[in-house]
Amino acid sequence: EPEVTQTPSHQVTQMGQEVILRCVPISNHLYFYWYRQILGQKVEFLVSFYNNEISEKSEIFDDQFSVERPDGSNFTLKIRSTKLEDSAMYFCASSEWGGVGGNIQYFGAGTRLSVL
Amino acid sequence: AQSVTQLDSQVPVFEEAPVELRCNYSSSVSVYLFWYVQYPNQGLQLLLKYLSGSTLVKGINGFEAEFNKSQTSFHLRKPSVHISDTAEYFCAVSDRSGGSNYKLTFGKGTLLTVNP
Repeated sequence: EPEVTQTPSHQVTQMGQEVILRCVPISNHLYFYWYRQILGQKVEFLVSFYNNEISEKSEIFDDQFSVERPDGSNFTLKIRSTKLEDSAMYFCASSEWGGVGGNIQYFGAGTRLSVL
Repeated sequence: AQSVTQLDSQVPVFEEAPVELRCNYSSSVSVYLFWYVQYPNQGLQLLLKYLSGSTLVKGINGFEAEFNKSQTSFHLRKPSVHISDTAEYFCAVSDRSGGSNYKLTFGKGTLLTVNP
């Protein structure tokens, strides 16, 4: 069964450093998302991406964050200068389409980001 | 805007007992409804979804949920749980019209612990 793949599974970085989290969505999917889950809290939406551009972003997704689909398969989340409060599990998700059939998002296993 | 309330943060039950995990939502628009499960140290897996049609939906692993529009609820049930059902369960909604590009709004999650 196709799945969303995220790498690395765990990333440790120093405050102020740049990190890139990588995701390979399911191949025929058109919508891409990043969510995060701070330990003990709910899963929060960060950004959605469709047709090679950001379609919506949350208040969390400030200028320190960016997303890119550099080729036909990868979808990346970059945090330019990490803060302690960026420590969280980051989930990538993808969906085939919206419309009448509904937008069903499939999630990767997540990247745990630890900022020291 | 949507919000999701999961009334119980933790639900302990004994093996083979029935269980109900409660979910209520608030939205100014029509929504799709989902339950996701997160097993320890794993990502989010889709358990079941309500898109349209019958208000009783069946998912994987013997779970089912009933959409009640008048009560804005989507409670998850299983008649007899197994120890392997121990996990965190998240209720989520998205805007049916595609507003916000179908981003998911999650509840805080319910930790189901099945004891022998």
